[in-house]
Amino acid sequence: EVQLLESGGDWVQPGGSLRLSCAASRYTFSIYAMSWVRLAPGTGLEWVSTISGSGSTTYYAGSVKGRFTISRDNSKNTVYLQMNSLRVEDTAIYYCARQPTTVTRVLFDHWGQGTLVTVSS
Amino acid sequence: EIVMTQSPATVSVSPGERATLSCRASQSVSSNLAWYQQKPGQAPRLLINDASTRAAGIPARFSGSGSGTDFTFTISSLQSEDSALYYCQQYNNWPYTFGQGTKLEIK
Repeated sequence: EVQLLESGGDWVQPGGSLRLSCAASRYTFSIYAMSWVRLAPGTGLEWVSTISGSGSTTYYAGSVKGRFTISRDNSKNTVYLQMNSLRVEDTAIYYCARQPTTVTRVLFDHWGQGTLVTVSS
Repeated sequence: EIVMTQSPATVSVSPGERATLSCRASQSVSSNLAWYQQKPGQAPRLLINDASTRAAGIPARFSGSGSGTDFTFTISSLQSEDSALYYCQQYNNWPYTFGQGTKLEIK
């Protein structure tokens, strides 16, 4: 059974930074694209960012482009989300999720349990 | 950005009956549509991809149909454990957008 375990969520003030991690196990990590998806209070799910299996291709939602950076370390089976210039509206549960096929097919067949990010003064 | 609109917002169905949920895209997404189930405190679970293909391990009572802009998700014989939020998501165009969700309640 695929396992994805997020960590790094915390409370941070507006303008601050945070790095989320997602440790994957029980599958060949390097051949799958990975994404971050968030669930904000009172709203639905929002795709945030995607990275290819090799790490050479990345995509971002317009709301986070220029502020968030997705990366991965295939030797550690881990994907990261560096979040800078955080805003109140970034408050959400952040899920990492695996994409079942190519990096361009951005759907998600396995999800972690999520990590909570709270941005507030 | 493609806007995904789900209806109804909430639906209440008796066990054993059929539940039908709708998802409409603001422009064509071909068949690049997925359905997810999310229960409180749990991660979302992929049910359907490519509009009508059940994901691995998903029971046959779950089905999807449609293409272009109009999609339907059906649970043929509702069970109590199907009470959840259901989301559609398009992966045809950046940015990859979700509907706002339909809450399925058991009567």
